[in-house]
Amino acid sequence: EDQVTQSPEALRLQEGESSSLNCSYTVSGLRGLFWYRQDPGKGPEFLFTLYSAGEEKEKERLKATLTKKESFLHITAPKPEDSATYLCAVTPEAGSYQLTFGKGTKLSVIP
Amino acid sequence: DAGITQSPRYKITETGRQVTLMCHQTWSHSYMFWYRQDLGHGLRLIYYSAAADITDKGEVPDGYVVSRSKTENFPLTLESATRSQTSVYFCASNQGKNTEAFFGQGTRLTVV
Repeated sequence: EDQVTQSPEALRLQEGESSSLNCSYTVSGLRGLFWYRQDPGKGPEFLFTLYSAGEEKEKERLKATLTKKESFLHITAPKPEDSATYLCAVTPEAGSYQLTFGKGTKLSVIP
Repeated sequence: DAGITQSPRYKITETGRQVTLMCHQTWSHSYMFWYRQDLGHGLRLIYYSAAADITDKGEVPDGYVVSRSKTENFPLTLESATRSQTSVYFCASNQGKNTEAFFGQGTRLTVV
């Protein structure tokens, strides 16, 4: 059974204080790992897709990395507007592109 | 406007009633999905569809029915609503081929 575990569940940062969110996964062959951002009352918004170990992608203050067992979402010098819940999801090799999600990390950035 | 639209945004219904949540996408994506999001569980897949007239069960399909007669629409029906089906429901679509999925704004359903 595919499993995705995110840690920590919640994270409070001061503005400018860099940190990382973790996503560990167990899947029978990884087709892709996805990061999403979700604001309260809204649907998840796509951030990144990673396909193979060693791959990295960046967008503004966010950088996602992938190893064979986990992915990290690094947040550099966060701002209050980065506050959101960050979701990690995987697509296994076998299956029809459905996503298996972790429970998310709720990030709060304090001014 | 291009995108994925869910309706209604909010719905209150009584136990035992049938209710249908609508999902419409304008991208002609092959794949469509229904998820529910609950505290402590995250997003869980209910049903998905690879193309018109092709649907399959996800992790939590019991009590739900789907259909896909047209590529752009993927309605989700609760045949006899129960309080345990109180949740936020999200529809999503993607083009397959390991591309990202795009989500609607969600429907908050309360069963009383």
